[in-house]
Amino acid sequence: QSVLTQPPSVSGAPGQRVTISCTGSSSNIGAGYDVHWYQQLPGTAPKLLIYGNSNRPSGVPDRFSGSKSGTSASLAITGLQAEDEADYYCQSYDSSLSGSRVVFGGGTKLTVL
Amino acid sequence: QVQLQESGPGLVKPSQTLSLTCTVSGGSISSGSYYWSWIRQPAGKGLEWIGRIYTSGSTNYNPSLKSRVTISVDTSKNQFSLKLSSVTAADTAVYYCAEATASARDAFDIWGQGTMVTVSS
Repeated sequence: QSVLTQPPSVSGAPGQRVTISCTGSSSNIGAGYDVHWYQQLPGTAPKLLIYGNSNRPSGVPDRFSGSKSGTSASLAITGLQAEDEADYYCQSYDSSLSGSRVVFGGGTKLTVL
Repeated sequence: QVQLQESGPGLVKPSQTLSLTCTVSGGSISSGSYYWSWIRQPAGKGLEWIGRIYTSGSTNYNPSLKSRVTISVDTSKNQFSLKLSSVTAADTAVYYCAEATASARDAFDIWGQGTMVTVSS
């Protein structure tokens, strides 16, 4: 059971727009901690896609965008391409009575139809 | 361009200690406002953060693993290491080392390729 909740899967046709949600709580996203997003292609290490809720590292296409509101965050992908088929993870920080730690969502598998 | 490379045994016996090293190239492990983390991923599952070490040497660990984890740094070798004691089959995973930078708001902007560790007798 991940601290951050993502849908297990999403899908879309080429050219379409999809969104992936990341739901947290008052001890993580709702506490003001940044949300970051990673793309993991099969058999490879995760790659930073969005940092600080909505910023793209150099080289990441502007088809990818991130947002955050309250205790949730979202990753949007527009103009879907076959190469976008991958697993996507959100990440934040959690601070509670049980301790503080970096936390990840359970991951979302994006299928391009 | 900083690069990270994990190394260590691919097979560890149950109850023993898993030891991995991450070698940093293309930059100094002791420069800048960075921290260095270990993250693991069981086959077909999600990512789990294990812990981190700052350039100052201070550490933070995942509370769920804290009693078994030690992360250390060797600045002379530009490496940082992970030790996970009393391993069981549940510790079988791909282990990644990663760098987080202040410029990326503490996101993990550089990852190693990962190394598979199997716990089995």
